Amino acid sequence: DAGVIQSPRHEVTEMGQEVTLRCKPISGHNSLFWYRQTMMRGLELLIYFNNNVPIDDSGMPEDRFSAKMPNASFSTLKIQPSEPRDSAVYFCASSLLSGSNTQYFGPGTRLTVL
Amino acid sequence: KQEVTQIPAALSVPEGENLVLNCSFTDSAIYNLQWFRQDPGKGLTSLLLIQSSQREQTSGRLNASLDKSSGRSTLYIAASQPGDSATYLCAVKNNAGNMLTFGGGTRLMVKP
Repeated sequence: DAGVIQSPRHEVTEMGQEVTLRCKPISGHNSLFWYRQTMMRGLELLIYFNNNVPIDDSGMPEDRFSAKMPNASFSTLKIQPSEPRDSAVYFCASSLLSGSNTQYFGPGTRLTVL
Repeated sequence: KQEVTQIPAALSVPEGENLVLNCSFTDSAIYNLQWFRQDPGKGLTSLLLIQSSQREQTSGRLNASLDKSSGRSTLYIAASQPGDSATYLCAVKNNAGNMLTFGGGTRLMVKP
């Protein structure tokens, strides 16, 4: 298996622009997580889905952030409009709902908002 | 709300030393605890997962212990190598949901 796939790996954009991050979970996994990592705040959970349904989005910082999971093999995290303080590394992870629930992380998307 | 703390934040040791990384959590009602490794510019790799009913897990030179009642876990690395240099994060899954709460990590440097 290719593991969790994220794209793009790097994104540089200007303040006010829309940013869309993409994630393909491991095939067969039915939970998907979006995290943000910064030096100041560490690793924070933004939102997670079980069976394509958003379960907890309490970590989403503001209405500028939205996430979708239209099917079991694809999810997006959108920021509109982007701001410099959104600069961070965004990780997607997936796991099985049952069993050990080990989460497998993607390589991350490094976002820089100028 | 669960809070996870890791001490020390950074650690530098000479190659060959045995070392212990610490993780503490405030809510003992956990489902499991995981230790992850993160290399610079990379994602997280799961090292060990301990279920709440277990006391320890071992993988090669790594041993993780869990004392749920006191809210503590340790990651023991035997005979450290320069290749062990990375950031180590512990994460707790509470009984209430599928979410992980992460500690701030310990940045380890093993010098040759």
